[in-house]
Amino acid sequence: NAGVTQTPKFQVLKTGQSMTLQCAQDMNHEYMSWYRQDPGMGLRLIHYSVGAGITDQGEVPNGYNVSRSTTEDFPLRLLSAAPSQTSVYFCASSSGARGSNQPQHFGDGTRLSIL
Amino acid sequence: AQSVTQLGSHVSVSEGALVLLRCNYSSSVPPYLFWYVQYPNQGLQLLLKYTTGATLVKGINGFEAEFKKSETSFHLTKPSAHMSDAAEYFCAVSEYSSASKIIFGSGTRLSIRP
Repeated sequence: NAGVTQTPKFQVLKTGQSMTLQCAQDMNHEYMSWYRQDPGMGLRLIHYSVGAGITDQGEVPNGYNVSRSTTEDFPLRLLSAAPSQTSVYFCASSSGARGSNQPQHFGDGTRLSIL
Repeated sequence: AQSVTQLGSHVSVSEGALVLLRCNYSSSVPPYLFWYVQYPNQGLQLLLKYTTGATLVKGINGFEAEFKKSETSFHLTKPSAHMSDAAEYFCAVSEYSSASKIIFGSGTRLSIRP
């Protein structure tokens, strides 16, 4: 099984550019989430979704948009990239609509640099 | 809202020594608690979880953790460290609700001395 697949693995952007980080899972998980990982700050929740058509904000949602049109896909959009968004981004999914008592399955991450 | 505090951003132990990584949580309702491990340039993998029932939870690779409600703690231990345990460890907490968030601590980097 592929599990959680993130693309691209690496990306360099210029300030002000937009891009979409892709995340797909093949486990029919209802709960999906996006985190960013920065040194000394652990993983901070950006947005999450408890099912198709339902999304909500996490701890650090500013500058990011998400949508969940299908169960499988949960893309993260940067509308106007800023250097402060340089980070490693992880997508995760778990079973159950609430997802909170189930272990999360993580992708391998996208390393994003904003110049 | 729930939160997690991991005490010590870096812990170093000798091979064969006890590993103790500390995690304290804050939650207004009974929590779900997790420990994850991250090896360099990889995503996170689940070590163990506590949801309900027995407060001493055993995980993979010889790790275990004990849920102590009175101390709001969920510390991770391993009796004898191995070189392969060197990694970063994250504690996470969530709550059962209509749309729950899963919140991670800042992480503890574990180094093993030969």
